Amino acid sequence: SQTIHQWPATLVQPVGSPLSLECTVEGTSNPNLYWYRQAAGRGLQLLFYSVGIGQISSEVPQNLSASRPQDRQFILSSKKLLLSDSGFYLCAWTTGQGVYEQYFGPGTRLTVT
Amino acid sequence: SQQGEEDPQALSIQEGENATMNCSYKTSINNLQWYRQNSGRGLVHLILIRSNEREKHSGRLRVTLDTSKKSSSLLITASRAADTASYFCATDGGSNYKLTFGKGTLLTVNP
Repeated sequence: SQTIHQWPATLVQPVGSPLSLECTVEGTSNPNLYWYRQAAGRGLQLLFYSVGIGQISSEVPQNLSASRPQDRQFILSSKKLLLSDSGFYLCAWTTGQGVYEQYFGPGTRLTVT
Repeated sequence: SQQGEEDPQALSIQEGENATMNCSYKTSINNLQWYRQNSGRGLVHLILIRSNEREKHSGRLRVTLDTSKKSSSLLITASRAADTASYFCATDGGSNYKLTFGKGTLLTVNP
């Protein structure tokens, strides 16, 4: 069966510090991968998605970046965090072409102080 | 801008009652999906309805889709305290890869 992991679960970082969040998927190959951010009491904002290794599509201009160094690994990064980067970050995957159900990881709660 | 918008933003009911949540969207779609999120957790897929379907059932869930009105509803029958969660609709807006989520309805089921 397929599983999706995210770490860390929680993170408190000072403004201006770097960020690296990791997401890995097991039990499937060539998934489409997604990074979302959810502000308190809000819906999900799509940040990045990837349909293959090294292929990244950015949805929102910001100080975040994403990379996909391996088929089932998706990394969200920042060189310098802003207060507005605080939120709940969710990774998700789906299979193949066409928009089908997405499977979400447990999320990372990021607080920038 | 958000493709899907849920209504109401919050709903509080008693156990055993039915809960109805609505979703409106703006552009044409291939399918519409509903997800559930318990507090502090990831989202869980509930049901997908295709644009050529009008109604779909899954256990205590019933979803309807009216493409002429660009709207969908999620009905949870005989609600339980464990149904307490946020519920989101998501649409593909014709994309092959992306979903756009609404802001969600927070459902509270009181025992």
